[in-house]
Amino acid sequence: DAKTTQPPSMDCAEGRAANLPCNHSTISGNEYVYWYRQIHSQGPQYIIHGLKNNETNEMASLIITEDRKSSTLILPHATLRDTAVYYCIVRVGGYGGSQGNLIFGKGTKLSVKP
Amino acid sequence: DTAVSQTPKYLVTQMGNDKSIKCEQNLGHDTMYWYKQDSKKFLKIMFSYNNKELIINETVPNRFSPKSPDKAHLNLHINSLELGDSAVYFCASSWQGGYYEQYFGPGTRLTVT
Repeated sequence: DAKTTQPPSMDCAEGRAANLPCNHSTISGNEYVYWYRQIHSQGPQYIIHGLKNNETNEMASLIITEDRKSSTLILPHATLRDTAVYYCIVRVGGYGGSQGNLIFGKGTKLSVKP
Repeated sequence: DTAVSQTPKYLVTQMGNDKSIKCEQNLGHDTMYWYKQDSKKFLKIMFSYNNKELIINETVPNRFSPKSPDKAHLNLHINSLELGDSAVYFCASSWQGGYYEQYFGPGTRLTVT
């Protein structure tokens, strides 16, 4: 089962920042927070991941609280093409067995509106 | 160039048939995966495979079997297809372990009639 909780849906106006929250209150010290998204009918797409520090790349920023029990994915200037289901996933950063597997929850359906 | 490709994109077949879905990655990754997305849109891991180890999700029926002719390919073979096998199947690849992002293929929509 997924170890994260996300709101089922959110709306965002085009051009505004989209802030997607995720709760992972049972996260362990060696678990990373990963974000993927799935645009309608396409394969999931990696966005960003982090352990403790905030992270930023060309797609998004990831803000992780100091206690690591929650995080927020920020799309700074949402466009219509960002409409998708966004998945927050907690994953062990190791090399053995099934540690590479992604356990998807229900995600947040983000609708960017003009 | 497409990083992870799957064929066919659509597959319609009858119950009881045997079918295969092919997956190829040109990223040089050492680990490949198969995921199933059902009609309710839940994505579930089925298999992960590298040259040392096959990890099978215990919920996957043994009618499903991954076959890897080489490091760049992981095909999914399904025997005796059932109506409940209808879903979208996604292949993915990455470097081994939980540190690395996975790259997904475009999916194969399987419909069993």
